[in-house]
Amino acid sequence: AQSVAQPEDQVNVAEGNPLTVKCTYSVSGNPYLFWYVQYPNRGLQFLLKYITGDNLVKGSYGFEAEFNKSQTSFHLKKPSALVSDSALYFCAVRASSSGNTPLVFGKGTRLSVIA
Amino acid sequence: GAGVSQSPSNKVTEKGKDVELRCDPISGHTALYWYRQSLGQGLEFLIYFQGNSAPDKSGLPSDRFSAERTGGSVSTLTIQRTQQEDSAVYLCASSLDLGSDTFGSGTRLTVV
Repeated sequence: AQSVAQPEDQVNVAEGNPLTVKCTYSVSGNPYLFWYVQYPNRGLQFLLKYITGDNLVKGSYGFEAEFNKSQTSFHLKKPSALVSDSALYFCAVRASSSGNTPLVFGKGTRLSVIA
Repeated sequence: GAGVSQSPSNKVTEKGKDVELRCDPISGHTALYWYRQSLGQGLEFLIYFQGNSAPDKSGLPSDRFSAERTGGSVSTLTIQRTQQEDSAVYLCASSLDLGSDTFGSGTRLTVV
């Protein structure tokens, strides 16, 4: 079975500081990994994905994530946080061998960037 | 349209009533998914349509929940005899391949 763990319910960071939102996963075979962001009363917006290739993936709004197969992690990072980055972040996984099956999500991490 | 469209955006209903939630996916996307997001929870898979195959209903929480997808496009999620625990945000997503999942803005359902 596939699963995703986001160990932190809440991450607080000062504006201008680097931020990290952690994600680890469990899947049989090779994973497809995703990060989505959710602003209040909105749906999920795609940030970035890892399918294959370079382990460092760059996405929207200056975010990036690094796929680490040995640690089964896909942490989301940004060098300099903005107040506008405050939102709920979800990591998700899909096994590459399972076809277009539903994504399995973590419980989400609320990021708060303080001015 | 350019994105996934869901309607209504908000729905308040009385306990025991039936509700229908609509999802209009991106044109050409063969896969369509329904998820539920309860307060303080992550996203829970409900049902999934892939092309002309029989839907995967393994995530539906009870037989009060059903969904259909007409003509491989628009989908309707129906909840019969709503209960207060059905209150949640219902999200729809569509995709063409393994990495293009696009979500709608969701329907916030409140059962009073």
